[in-house]
Amino acid sequence: QITLKESGPTLVKPTQTLTLTCSFSGLSLTTSGVGVGWIRQPPGKALEWLALIYWNDNKRYSPSLKSRLTITKDTSENQVVLTMTNMDPVDTATYYCAHITFYYDSSGYYPPRQGYFDLWGRGTLVTVSS
Amino acid sequence: QSVLTQPPSVSGAPGQRVTISCTGNSSNIGAGLDVHWYQQVPGAAPRLLIYGTTYRPSGIPDRFSGSRSGTSASLAITGLQAEDEADYYCQSCDNSLTFSGLFGTGTRVTVL
Repeated sequence: QITLKESGPTLVKPTQTLTLTCSFSGLSLTTSGVGVGWIRQPPGKALEWLALIYWNDNKRYSPSLKSRLTITKDTSENQVVLTMTNMDPVDTATYYCAHITFYYDSSGYYPPRQGYFDLWGRGTLVTVSS
Repeated sequence: QSVLTQPPSVSGAPGQRVTISCTGNSSNIGAGLDVHWYQQVPGAAPRLLIYGTTYRPSGIPDRFSGSRSGTSASLAITGLQAEDEADYYCQSCDNSLTFSGLFGTGTRVTVL
């Protein structure tokens, strides 16, 4: 059984750096074709993809937030860490980590550019306020 | 701002069929890139409902089905049940070299 769980501070001050950890079990981030991503959801609003890391350590970031995000993985600890700098009240949201299954399409690009989030953590609410 | 547009809400009586559209453009859905759908019950994390535009993961009832036409995709729910009341999101990516996650604006399904 695959499980993912997010952890981190529930409250951060504006301008601070947020560090979130996704701890998972039942899967290995060394398995070809998989990854872990972060998605957030402000209260009452839609989902927004933030970042992901592939099994081969390639990383991808949302273009609009790329300058503020860093994603890393610790394979031995079964963890993926996301840091977001210069937090602002508009960053108040529930942050989810999710397992991704990637697959190749006719383009043949490597690493694959298509994937879906097939298993999600419960999420953690982060409030940004002074 | 999402480039995948969904209707804010749809509703139907129990047993009816409802459809949710996900409208993109020639840079994503129209380029042949797949669409995936998620269901989010209030207070819970999203759950994968449809992947690869038309495929259902194990455990998802066949009342849920996905399709695509041109620059849009659709999720159909037949035999609507009270437990289907939730928010639904589509997801795709841009026609680029790398993954670029795009989520739709979300649709609230209400069972009358």
